[in-house]
Amino acid sequence: AQSVTQPDIHITVSEGASLELRCNYSYGATPYLFWYVQSPGQGLQLLLKYFSGDTLVQGIKGFEAEFKRSQSSFNLRKPSVHWSDAAEYFCAVEAAGSYQLTFGKGTKLSVIP
Amino acid sequence: KAGVTQTPRYLIKTRGQQVTLSCSPISGHRSVSWYQQTPGQGLQFLFEYFSETQRNKGNFPGRFSGRQFSNSRSEMNVSTLELGDSALYLCASRPEQETQYFGPGTRLLVL
Repeated sequence: AQSVTQPDIHITVSEGASLELRCNYSYGATPYLFWYVQSPGQGLQLLLKYFSGDTLVQGIKGFEAEFKRSQSSFNLRKPSVHWSDAAEYFCAVEAAGSYQLTFGKGTKLSVIP
Repeated sequence: KAGVTQTPRYLIKTRGQQVTLSCSPISGHRSVSWYQQTPGQGLQFLFEYFSETQRNKGNFPGRFSGRQFSNSRSEMNVSTLELGDSALYLCASRPEQETQYFGPGTRLLVL
């Protein structure tokens, strides 16, 4: 069974600083990979996804993620954080044909003005 | 297109009762999935339906059940509610082989 690890429970950054959220997965083959964001009391919004091809993926709101097969990682990055980026971020994987997402525990991002 | 809608948005029940939650997928999406989100366990997969058939099921007791109708709308039911069933229940829909899009969720409180 696949699993997802997000090592950082809570990260605080200053507005304008760069951001990297870590995600490691465990799965026998290359899964489909996703990053979702959740604001308090809200559902999940898709930031970006990786199915195959170019390992650097661009998403919405200026986010990008890089798939590194050798490290089983799919880290999320943003060059300059805005106060509105404060939220909880979830990395997820889906094994092909499983029709289910397996989520990490999430990383809560706080932004200092 | 309208997004995934879930009703009701908030619900309070007492232990032992049952509850039914509803999900209307994005138009044209035939797959609907359900997830439970709690502070302790995080996001966990409940089940997935496609064309009225359950294709996959997570590791939840039989008290949790679901169904999908011919118009792709889905319901999930929890019988004999327990305090631990208090959670945010998220529904997601997608076209086949594509990304899941989530609704705003139904927050269930069991007293």
